Amino acid sequence: DSGVTQTPKHLITATGQRVTLRCSPRSGDLSVYWYQQSLDQGLQFLIQYYNGEERAKGNILERFSAQQFPDLHSELNLSSLELGDSALYFCASSVGTSGSRSSYNEQFFGPGTRLTVL
Amino acid sequence: GNSVTQMEGPVTLSEEAFLTINCTYTATGYPSLFWYVQYPGEGLQLLLKATKADDKGSNKGFEATYRKETTSFHLEKGSVQVSDSAVYFCALNYLNAGGTSYGKLTFGQGTILTVHP
Repeated sequence: DSGVTQTPKHLITATGQRVTLRCSPRSGDLSVYWYQQSLDQGLQFLIQYYNGEERAKGNILERFSAQQFPDLHSELNLSSLELGDSALYFCASSVGTSGSRSSYNEQFFGPGTRLTVL
Repeated sequence: GNSVTQMEGPVTLSEEAFLTINCTYTATGYPSLFWYVQYPGEGLQLLLKATKADDKGSNKGFEATYRKETTSFHLEKGSVQVSDSAVYFCALNYLNAGGTSYGKLTFGQGTILTVHP
């Protein structure tokens, strides 16, 4: 158990709908990262938050957004869903965010949310 | 930009066989390198890491050495077990053009390992 929790575990929805995925980081971790794992794209970084602020953006679509709340949990919002958005969405957390080679940046992954868009 | 290339899978071995999964990278400066493992139905777990050239990461019988001269971080295990069946991901810690380390990880495409009794 990594200490990172994600809900829900599975989500089935229809095209055009909107969903929210939730992540609670490990106790004490300030950074949260979102990744998408799909068969065709592999594992891709979407976005990172550190202590409530956006820190880095990857291949995240404009239809997707995220935020990190004062209690440090994070939510990933996916809207106008398409069939191609079906994937595993992972959240990871770490203590820090940048500038160090130490375990400060070591990321711990949650179990993922499997999204199926029908 | 930064990228990671892993050997194509899947890899199928018999128990107690020797395992090598190749990983090469392209990055500015000296990234930190990682191997993650994903067991069926689970999230990613950090298997081992190396933060500078010639470092050897090791865990659970797996080893990988950070080779700057060949930009490689190959994963090896001397004797695999059925319980090692999983997907293995090589990854690097993103560096910007100035060499500053950021937390986001760039992953290889993953290698599926199946070990038969």
